[in-house]
Amino acid sequence: GDSVTQKQGQVTLSEDDFLFINCTYSTTTYPTLFWYVQYPGQGPQLLLKVTTANNKGISRGFEATYDKGTTSFHLQKASVQESDSAVYFCALNYGGSGNKLIFGTGTLLSVKP
Amino acid sequence: EAAVTQSPRNKVAVTGGKVTLSCNQTNNHNNMYWYRQDTGHGLRLIHYSYGAGSTEKGDIPDGYKASRPSQENFSLILELATPSQTSVYFCASGTGNTEVFFGKGTRLTVV
Repeated sequence: GDSVTQKQGQVTLSEDDFLFINCTYSTTTYPTLFWYVQYPGQGPQLLLKVTTANNKGISRGFEATYDKGTTSFHLQKASVQESDSAVYFCALNYGGSGNKLIFGTGTLLSVKP
Repeated sequence: EAAVTQSPRNKVAVTGGKVTLSCNQTNNHNNMYWYRQDTGHGLRLIHYSYGAGSTEKGDIPDGYKASRPSQENFSLILELATPSQTSVYFCASGTGNTEVFFGKGTRLTVV
């Protein structure tokens, strides 16, 4: 079945470091892919979205590129700030009606000042 | 701005008791969802709905029921709560293949 894999449970960086969070997916379709961010005490909120039409999403300095060849959708940011500390989830819309999302297990990013 | 409101925000329930989690959205979205969030599992879909009167099973529906009496409201019902249902529950709404908006969550503890 459809699945999303995030192997990094936790990432700790210093301010201005480069961020890379790995996400791979498995599906029989060409899904729409998302990155959601969750701050403490909040629900997840959309960070960026990528479809097969545009292949890349950019938002608030974060970037993700849809790579059908490697079925990956990694999240990158050139220079993280302490305010980026949060949990990041990749997700895919696994099709059919209802716009259902399947989420990865999440990556906790801690950025030290 | 899109708004999804969950109540209560925190709940302690006894094993075997009935629990109802409520969700209201002012987005006029057709689709609504209930997820639970547990460490190591991310967010998992329990039930969802295409519109008033409809409910569908998600990936982990066992032990849960859902009710969608109106476009705005979507409830999650635990008829016989168990400690394994201790979790943080999120309601969300969306339409088509676009952004899904989440509420702030309900922390449920079953003792």
